[in-house]
Amino acid sequence: DAGITQSPRHKVTETGTPVTLRCHQTENHRYMYWYRQDPGHGLRLIHYSYGVKDTDKGEVSDGYSVSRSKTEDFLLTLESATSSQTSVYFCAISESSTGPGYEQYFGPGTRLTVT
Amino acid sequence: AQKITQTQPGMFVQEKEAVTLDCTYDTSDQSYGLFWYKQPSSGEMIFLIYQGSYDEQNATEGRYSLNFQKARKSANLVISASQLGDSAMYFCAMRERETGANNLFFGTGTRLTVIP
Repeated sequence: DAGITQSPRHKVTETGTPVTLRCHQTENHRYMYWYRQDPGHGLRLIHYSYGVKDTDKGEVSDGYSVSRSKTEDFLLTLESATSSQTSVYFCAISESSTGPGYEQYFGPGTRLTVT
Repeated sequence: AQKITQTQPGMFVQEKEAVTLDCTYDTSDQSYGLFWYKQPSSGEMIFLIYQGSYDEQNATEGRYSLNFQKARKSANLVISASQLGDSAMYFCAMRERETGANNLFFGTGTRLTVIP
């Protein structure tokens, strides 16, 4: 199993509060990703990182920001949480973005509820 | 338009039988990759199998095989000799080279139930 942990695993927060989710990997993979999973939508990419301090937006990036100051850590921040951001959040990593080894491995997920 | 379509919300299969989970995709890119993931009730996403658009042979990984029909744009997952532990959600996903090698597009999933 790929060494990916996410914290917290569960969080309940109120609308308007800031929330930070953490993804930590021990695989030294270059690429890291944040997805959200919602019923009827599968998984959708929020942001991804292709190296320390190198990040880019995904399909559903509005309302989210990310940071990556170390290879092993990728943070997802909801600056002001809204009820529409209630979801399960997955972190993923991959060794490469092309060629062999670019399958993505996922962390255990964080269930976030915004009330 | 949906890039990945999984038309079977739920499927049932008898233990020890084979089952096919359907996946069709939409892309104009010549270079792309197709993936299948399993999500058991515990929630984690488990990578199962990968097929590249230029691969001439269908991918196989143990009891999993990917029936790749490029002209039909389909990438069906075949699970042979189903086991009770195969009961889970299964997601098909695609990555296109031109639109972003880092964006994995997922279908909405198929829930497979294996009946003893």
